[in-house]
Amino acid sequence: DSGVTQTPKHLITATGQRVTLRCSPRSGDLSVYWYQQSLDQGLQFLIQYYNGEERAKGNILERFSAQQFPDLHSELNLSSLELGDSALYFCASSINTNTEAFFGQGTRLTVV
Amino acid sequence: AQKVTQAQTEISVVEKEDVTLDCVYETRDTTYYLFWYKQPPSGELVFLIRRNSFDEQNEISGRYSWNFQKSTSSFNFTITASQVVDSAVYFCALSLYGNKLVFGAGTILRVKS
Repeated sequence: DSGVTQTPKHLITATGQRVTLRCSPRSGDLSVYWYQQSLDQGLQFLIQYYNGEERAKGNILERFSAQQFPDLHSELNLSSLELGDSALYFCASSINTNTEAFFGQGTRLTVV
Repeated sequence: AQKVTQAQTEISVVEKEDVTLDCVYETRDTTYYLFWYKQPPSGELVFLIRRNSFDEQNEISGRYSWNFQKSTSSFNFTITASQVVDSAVYFCALSLYGNKLVFGAGTILRVKS
């Protein structure tokens, strides 16, 4: 158990809908990262937050947004969902930007 | 741009065999970090190792060892005396900044008893 908690574990939703994925980082970790793992794109970095502020952005679609709250948990919001958004979404956390990141178990999103 | 290539899509070995997973990376930067992660059938990503570009010492942790060679831009991972529990997908990754990781496509390792 990495100590990073993601909810829900599984999510099935219809095209056009909006969902929110939640991540609780390891105790003491200030940095949170979101990754997407899909069959065609592999593992891709989406976005990073550090102590509530956005620090780095990757290949995140405009339909997706994230935030990190004062208690350090993070949420990834996915809207106007398309079939191609079906993937495993990982959250990871680290103490700061220069230490290794530990990943949660992921949220498997299926868009039907 | 950074790139990580794991040329071996799938490897099958019999238990107790040694197996090496190859990783070749591309970057023009002199400061970078290299990682290996394991993804067992249950799906989570398990951190195995992180090395920075200035530390070329090989590392051994139990049955696992890593060979970092800047001259060939490689960071290979060897499992000695493989076990069925080692069956997983193994990812090599590179980052220039913190944990903004660029992952390779992964190598599926199947260890048969």
